[in-house]
Amino acid sequence: QKEVEQNSGPLSVPEGAIASLNCTYSDRGSQSFFWYRQYSGKSPELIMFIYSNGDKEDGRFTAQLNKASQYVSLLIRDSQPSDSATYLCAVRGSGYALNFGKGTSLLVTP
Amino acid sequence: EPEVTQTPSHQVTQMGQEVILRCVPISNHLYFYWYRQILGQKVEFLVSFYNNEISEKSEIFDDQFSVERPDGSNFTLKIRSTKLEDSAMYFCASSEEVVPRYFGPGTRLTVT
Repeated sequence: QKEVEQNSGPLSVPEGAIASLNCTYSDRGSQSFFWYRQYSGKSPELIMFIYSNGDKEDGRFTAQLNKASQYVSLLIRDSQPSDSATYLCAVRGSGYALNFGKGTSLLVTP
Repeated sequence: EPEVTQTPSHQVTQMGQEVILRCVPISNHLYFYWYRQILGQKVEFLVSFYNNEISEKSEIFDDQFSVERPDGSNFTLKIRSTKLEDSAMYFCASSEEVVPRYFGPGTRLTVT
């Protein structure tokens, strides 16, 4: 069974701090890695994706990938209360299907 | 901004009945997906559709499920004989590339 694991949280950070969200995956054949944000009762929104080892930055978001450790993370700089949501890590192998984790709930407190 | 739309927003049906969930993907997108999320659980892949055919399906997507793109704009998911465990939020997604980039708002299916 191919697993994508995330700490369910909630992860609580003060406004302006860096939020660090982590994800591990079991399938070494995984090729691409995604972070989605899901507000309660809403659909997932793609934040960013990463294919290669290292860091990828997009605005306040940085995705980090370490394939050797089978680990992907998302950093959110200058966290805002509007960032409070569930963050879903998703992993794709060679096909079309994304395998999602259960998500980490983030709470940014003013 | 273009968006994926889904109808109905909520569907209640009795066990054993057929349901059709409808999606209008963003025009000029090539890749279409159905995912579902049972309350409190993770988002699960059902099926992907490209070039007018299924490109991949999951174990969940058994003979009770089918997809169609009947008229070049709509994308439908049919469940032939619903079960209680089919109760979930069903999300359609579309994209220009092999990344489900744009999700619709979802259809909440309740099977009683």
